[in-house]
Amino acid sequence: EFVLTQSPDTLSLSPGERATLSCRASQAISDINLAWYQHKPGQAPRLLISGASSRAAGVPDRFTGSGSGTDFTLTINSLEPDDFAVYYCQQHDNTRFTFGPGTRLDFK
Amino acid sequence: QIQLVQSGAEVKKPGASVKVSCKTSGYIFTDYHINWVRQAPGQGLEWIGWISTHNGGTNFAGKFQGRVTLTTDRSTRMGDMELRALRPDDTAVYYCARDGVGATHFDHWGQGTRVIVSS
Repeated sequence: EFVLTQSPDTLSLSPGERATLSCRASQAISDINLAWYQHKPGQAPRLLISGASSRAAGVPDRFTGSGSGTDFTLTINSLEPDDFAVYYCQQHDNTRFTFGPGTRLDFK
Repeated sequence: QIQLVQSGAEVKKPGASVKVSCKTSGYIFTDYHINWVRQAPGQGLEWIGWISTHNGGTNFAGKFQGRVTLTTDRSTRMGDMELRALRPDDTAVYYCARDGVGATHFDHWGQGTRVIVSS
């Protein structure tokens, strides 16, 4: 069974700081199959990154995805108040999808 | 623009069934799968399954196999999810989501439908 692990569970930072979120896969995956989402209460999740590093339409360039194999990272530079949310990584293995447990980005 | 609009909130008793609908617009319907994802209170996102709008083929996460039915209608551009034998731990917000180019991620989502299962 494919498992995604995200760390940390919660990240407390201030506006203007940089956030580094980690996603680790239980087995190596192709870059094309790794995506990141932002999720705020009462809203639908929003696609940020697909293919490990390609920003979705309208996503600011403060958001950067990187990594390969089993280790992937979402970096958010110069945090803005609107960035505080839960972030999920997600993988696709040809037929099924798996989400990581999420990282909550909180105000410090 | 691309839109997925879901049906309204539901309250069901344990053992009952629920059907959630997802009406799409703004894109070529048969070019993309419709997926279903849920979020239980205080929990993360959980993928339920997808349906091909092209041929009706389906695929499910193991835990939902046999308890969920996905359907799609080209004429109305809609997808439906029926979940049977509801339990209190099925209480969640259910989302439909279109998979993106290459079918590896979800690029557009419905607004979510809250389903409460309670006696």
